Order: sequence, then structure tokens, then C-alpha cells
Amino acid sequence: NAGVTQTPKFRILKIGQSMTLQCTQDMNHNYMYWYRQDPGMGLKLIYYSVGAGITDKGEVPNGYNVSRSTTEDFPLRLELAAPSQTSVYFCASKGGHLNEKLFFGSGTQLSVL
Amino acid sequence: DQQVKQNSPSLSVQEGRISILNCDYTNSMFDYFLWYKKYPAEGPTFLISISSIKDKNEDGRFTVFLNKSAKHLSLHIVPSQPGDSAVYFCAASAVGLSNTGKLIFGQGTTLQVKP
Repeated sequence: NAGVTQTPKFRILKIGQSMTLQCTQDMNHNYMYWYRQDPGMGLKLIYYSVGAGITDKGEVPNGYNVSRSTTEDFPLRLELAAPSQTSVYFCASKGGHLNEKLFFGSGTQLSVL
Repeated sequence: DQQVKQNSPSLSVQEGRISILNCDYTNSMFDYFLWYKKYPAEGPTFLISISSIKDKNEDGRFTVFLNKSAKHLSLHIVPSQPGDSAVYFCAASAVGLSNTGKLIFGQGTTLQVKP
């Protein structure tokens, strides 16, 4: 059982480039989330999804887009990378809103130079 | 607007002693609280949780205390072990408010347990 899998683990982008951070889970979880972690700032919610076809903005959505075409996959898209998007990105999932235990992936470290 | 705050960025304790990590929150609608532990280059992992209807929850060496009137919770680790050295995040949610399951995280406290 792989849990939550994120790819890539590391990436360096130039300003203005685009990329997609991949996230997939094999636990049949309905709820999926994208967080970013900046030093000393904790984890901030970017986007979330409560099921396939349903997504919504979190605390810091600007500069990002998501889609949820299947239960398993929740990719995060950066269209025009900016230095402010240098961060560690974590994808997470859980089975239901009453089951509050989140399962996290191992993260993607992104640098925008 | 930091709704969940961990005001101590770091804590250092001796092996075998008690570690106390603190967390404050401002939103009175929060009704479920969790602690996550994070090692370098890994994702956070769930440690322990508490519902607002309780004031204490214990799991082995880990105990979480909740003081609703003060909007404060703490995580006690007794006895502390070197393997407990990690970043600890406090998180909160308002389960009764919505079905989104969103968690709001604090900034984290880095715990170092010295042998």
C-alpha cells in the first residue's frame, strides 16, 4: 500500500516556466489537499477537493490551479512560476471529513530562480 | 491572520525528561485538534488528536491537553527520546462547520532531544 505518492521530489524552475506537481493516492480517499510549507510559516492550504470533479481554493491559491478528474489523482499546476513559489509542497488525503487524520506525501521541493 | 500559533520555534530537552509543546488558537469554532510530527525530507505524520468535548487524550508517551477557555493546547512527551527529535505541528479544524475537512496548521516547533 503506497499511500500518497508525489512526484517529482525536487525541481528547479526558471521564472515564467510552468510545471505540474503530481499527486496520487491508492486509499480511495475522497478528500485531497495541497499545502505549501515555507520556513517558519507552517503549512498553508493552497487548494482542496472533496471528491472527483469538485475543487475549491484554500488560503493561498494565487498562481496555482488544480483539477480532480479521478478519485486517485490531484495534480497541482503552476502556470507562470515566480520566486515567491519557492517552497516545499505537500499533498495529503483522508477518507472523510469526520475522520480527521490526514495522510501526507513525502513532498516536492521546488525552487524558482 | 494566524488562527493557530506555536510561539516557540524550538525546544531542547534532555533524554528522559518531559517535553512540553504549546499551541494557541483564536477561532472559537475549532472543535478538533491534532498534532503532527515531521522528520526532514518526509511528510508530516499524525501523532495524536483531541476533540473539544475532552480536555485530555493519552497515547503511550504522548498526552495532549486542551484548555478551551484559554484556547490553548499542549503536547506532553514523557519520557523524551532522541528519536522524538523532529518538527511538531499543531493543527485545528471546525468539523461541525463544514464538510471540507480543512486543517489549519501552526508554524511548527522544532524539538531536539539530547542524549
